[in-house]
Amino acid sequence: TQLLEQSPQFLSIQEGENLTVYCNSSSVFSSLQWYRQEPGEGPVLLVTVVTGGEVKKLKRLTFQFGDARKDSSLHITAAQPGDTGLYLCAGRKYNFNKFYFGSGTKLNVKP
Amino acid sequence: NAGVTQTPKFQVLKTGQSMTLQCAQDMNHEYMSWYRQDPGMGLRLIHYSVGAGITDQGEVPNGYNVSRSTTEDFPLRLLSAAPSQTSVYFCASSFRTGHNQPQHFGDGTRLSIL
Repeated sequence: TQLLEQSPQFLSIQEGENLTVYCNSSSVFSSLQWYRQEPGEGPVLLVTVVTGGEVKKLKRLTFQFGDARKDSSLHITAAQPGDTGLYLCAGRKYNFNKFYFGSGTKLNVKP
Repeated sequence: NAGVTQTPKFQVLKTGQSMTLQCAQDMNHEYMSWYRQDPGMGLRLIHYSVGAGITDQGEVPNGYNVSRSTTEDFPLRLLSAAPSQTSVYFCASSFRTGHNQPQHFGDGTRLSIL
């Protein structure tokens, strides 16, 4: 059983559609990071959220950290084929030393 | 600036063989870690290190050993490979302090155990 559950596991949408990916846990985290991974490469950090209720925007991507610091969401507006990839959330516990990754959401944006 | 370098990129082993996966970083990061990535499982932490001479276990440490003799290098050893260790292995590094420190990942080692 993973500490962080991501949903959906797979998502295939048309260019221009909006989507939301969820990252949920029963545990509290000091911070939560979102990564994107391309095939054959390691994950690359998109954003870190630290404060409960925090919202961060990165162009068409909006990230939110739940008020209780147990969950997070990633919303993409007007998805583009370049957004295709595996999206991973990773929670950091208060001792700073361990990261726990979700199982990932594989996004495919069709032109 | 090479970042995090993992070698080899691909490896096939027979059950019972041993091997070392290499990881080196040139960013003077204190924190280094090893993950394995399996389909539908995301990344799971194997071992991590907060500095030279200090290592600790992650979620799935059984069957793996690590050491950290220098800041730059963090090798992962499989002493007796098993088919269940077939996976993609990623090494990551970051500065230790602060919430916003990103983990920098290598491109992975794809390991098959026959």
